Amino acid sequence: AQSVTQLDSQVPVFEEAPVELRCNYSSSVSVYLFWYVQYPNQGLQLLLKYLSGSTLVESINGFEAEFNKSQTSFHLRKPSVHISDTAEYFCAVSDRNTGFQKLVFGTGTRLLVSP
Amino acid sequence: NAGVTQTPKFQVLKTGQSMTLQCAQDMNHNSMYWYRQDPGMGLRLIYYSASEGTTDKGEVPNGYNVSRLNKREFSLRLESAAPSQTSVYFCASRIPGQMYNEQFFGPGTRLTVL
Repeated sequence: AQSVTQLDSQVPVFEEAPVELRCNYSSSVSVYLFWYVQYPNQGLQLLLKYLSGSTLVESINGFEAEFNKSQTSFHLRKPSVHISDTAEYFCAVSDRNTGFQKLVFGTGTRLLVSP
Repeated sequence: NAGVTQTPKFQVLKTGQSMTLQCAQDMNHNSMYWYRQDPGMGLRLIYYSASEGTTDKGEVPNGYNVSRLNKREFSLRLESAAPSQTSVYFCASRIPGQMYNEQFFGPGTRLTVL
């Protein structure tokens, strides 16, 4: 079984500042890793995913995440945030060996960007 | 494509009432899922359906039933609603043939049980 820990429930930052949202996972098997974003009053949208290959993955809106197997982490970073990045961010893990099985989500981190 | 749609968007029930949350997807996805989202707890899986005709329990199935009506539709039923079922409910579906589990989510149903 897998589990995901997002230690920060809320991260306040100023616009144009860098941000890191932390995600650690636990699994006895190899995993796929995902970051989902939920804007206010909307459903979840996939932000980026790590499947294989390069451990650094990027999204189209400037976020990146790095898979660190030794640290069992998949932290999300952005060098300069915008007001529009205000949202809740969920890290999720899926068992690589049984592809269709469940996504396990972390408890979410609310990113609050202020002017 | 409408993607994943859910009805209703909002619902208020009294304790003991029943209702069905509807979910439909037009992306020809095989697998569908029902989650509930509660503050500080993230998303928890209630039930999922790997393919048409099959359903399986997730992490928090008690108090719920599901029906995979056809490939497009996956409904969630609360037979006797309780205040503990106040939550936001999300339906999701998954692309067939992929080993990794990227899921597409609907906009959610916000349910309040008084």
